[in-house]
Amino acid sequence: EIVLTQSPDFLSVTPKEKVTITCRASQSIGSSLHWYQQKPDQSPKLLIKYGFQSISGVPSRFRGSGSGTDFILIINSLEAEDAATYYCHQSSSLPFTFGPGTKVEIK
Amino acid sequence: QVQLQESGPGLVKPSETLSLTCNVSGYSISSGYYWTWIRQPPGKGLEWIGAIFHTGSTYYNPSLESRVSISVEVSKNQFSLHLSSVTAADTAVYYCAREAGISPFDSWGQGNMVTVSS
Repeated sequence: EIVLTQSPDFLSVTPKEKVTITCRASQSIGSSLHWYQQKPDQSPKLLIKYGFQSISGVPSRFRGSGSGTDFILIINSLEAEDAATYYCHQSSSLPFTFGPGTKVEIK
Repeated sequence: QVQLQESGPGLVKPSETLSLTCNVSGYSISSGYYWTWIRQPPGKGLEWIGAIFHTGSTYYNPSLESRVSISVEVSKNQFSLHLSSVTAADTAVYYCAREAGISPFDSWGQGNMVTVSS
């Protein structure tokens, strides 16, 4: 099973700041890494697919990069509505797994 | 646009079987995609339970494989989850979702909270 680790666990950020979240896989997963945003009492929402590919309707301030074992999610100029928990997910091999999440709080 | 909606009991007794159904609208299950169950214990992260293709091929998380069964009813455009011998550790929000095969989950249901308690 591929284990995903995320850092940090928690961030408290001022609006307009830049946020960087990392996701590391226990073995190479190519580009099969996806990012989701989950707000309280909502289902996760796909933000970025295959490491860097944008999703229709997702604001352009959300950017992804990386391949192999190391991936990054960047939120440029954080907005209040971005308060959420962010999860990475690998679809390289079964069982599909998720990172433990990074909670982003707005100061 | 595809929509998924979970339904089922919110309370299940220990040792019994948890059964949930996901109704799919806006897309025909028989047209493709893998139809998936994912769960999230309160305050915790996400766990992939398993998936089914419209042909009936299934894929399960080894951690749950001995207790889980996913089935599909193409005529009703829905698929179901059965998890046997439940314990308090199975208390979670259960989501159904769709993915294209080695792909991200691009559509999710709103979730169904299931509590295991006597």
